[in-house]
Amino acid sequence: EAQVTQNPRYLITVTGKKLTVTCSQNMNHEYMSWYRQDPGLGLRQIYYSMNVEVTDKGDVPEGYKVSRKEKRNFPLILESPSPNQTSLYFCASSPQGQETQYFGPGTRLLVL
Amino acid sequence: QKEVEQNSGPLSVPEGAIASLNCTYSDRGSQSFFWYRQYSGKSPELIMFIYSNGDKEDGRFTAQLNKASQYVSLLIRDSQPSDSATYLCAGQGGKLIFGQGTELSVKP
Repeated sequence: EAQVTQNPRYLITVTGKKLTVTCSQNMNHEYMSWYRQDPGLGLRQIYYSMNVEVTDKGDVPEGYKVSRKEKRNFPLILESPSPNQTSLYFCASSPQGQETQYFGPGTRLLVL
Repeated sequence: QKEVEQNSGPLSVPEGAIASLNCTYSDRGSQSFFWYRQYSGKSPELIMFIYSNGDKEDGRFTAQLNKASQYVSLLIRDSQPSDSATYLCAGQGGKLIFGQGTELSVKP
């Protein structure tokens, strides 16, 4: 089944404790992206990647890191999480560019 | 700041009626526009995209684009309770920018 998977789906952590949210797609898509969704603010792009080893900042990259060492994986790293990073996070992929994105199931993060 | 604006709603329509969802955008360089549907607690799923001025129909859904007015809309004909969701408009002109979403409730 073609899909985008994220792990974990739910995470409660404390301020400053490094965490990684994994994202994997099995559709051989070149483009992958991370979004956060907050009430009243919609989806905001954190980082995106056009291909392996090619990443770029989205609209809200502060406090996040990403890497794209393999085509299928695009992990999101929070080196020192803070409470304002409490949010719902979505990974997405598409064949190329930003069109027709397929979203993962989401990761709900709570930073205490 | 390039923006995509939507009425947050909620928009409530009776079953069988036409639901009209609207979106305006500030970036005149935006070329492509997308409508995603997001059920509560679920991830967004693409339902339509439109590139050219005018209307694009797909089943009960019609997307309308007016680049001169920087306006995009989504019409849902014969609305069903299963259409109740949040609808996200997105514009692409370089980056893909999402609106904040409009919550639609279809009452039986």
